Amino acid sequence: KQEVTQIPAALSVPEGENLVLNCSFTDSAIYNLQWFRQDPGKGLTSLLLIQSSQREQTSGRLNASLDKSSGRSTLYIAASQPGDSATYLCAVSNRDDKIIFGKGTRLHILP
Amino acid sequence: DAGVIQSPRHEVTEMGQEVTLRCKPISGHDYLFWYRQTMMRGLELLIYFNNNVPIDDSGMPEDRFSAKMPNASFSTLKIQPSEPRDSAVYFCASSFLGQGFSGNTGELFFGEGSRLTVL
Repeated sequence: KQEVTQIPAALSVPEGENLVLNCSFTDSAIYNLQWFRQDPGKGLTSLLLIQSSQREQTSGRLNASLDKSSGRSTLYIAASQPGDSATYLCAVSNRDDKIIFGKGTRLHILP
Repeated sequence: DAGVIQSPRHEVTEMGQEVTLRCKPISGHDYLFWYRQTMMRGLELLIYFNNNVPIDDSGMPEDRFSAKMPNASFSTLKIQPSEPRDSAVYFCASSFLGQGFSGNTGELFFGEGSRLTVL
């Protein structure tokens, strides 16, 4: 059974710093991995999707990497801003098309 | 496209009442997912459909929960009878061509959620 873990559960960093969020999964037989952002009281917004054959994806100040063999992904945020404050979730898509989520990392950027 | 549309956004009901949550996926998407989110358990996959057919309902907690997708543009999640422990935010999400096909982005689009409170 696929399990997705995100550490830490919460993180506070000063504005302008670069930061890394971590995601690990137990079954490496995945099709893709997605990173989402969730603002309070809102739905989830897809940030980046990495196919299993890819090693990273970039969008603006965000960079996501995938190491399928070790069951790990990281989301790198450069030059953090207060607007980046949100909960970040990773999700893996298994061969049976199930999409399993981690519990997220609650990020707070200090002005 | 307006995105994934869920209704109601908020529902407060008393224990024992029937609750029906509704979802309209993005037009052309052939996968639809229902999730439940709580602080303790995070996002849990309840059930998902492919081309209106339920593929896996192993996440549905009990027989009190049922889901249908009568056509490509509409799905319901029903709880009968409702209990206080069902209080959560229920999300619907849709995607195109599923997640398991190579060459497909598989991006998942979420609705704003239905916040259910059972008293």
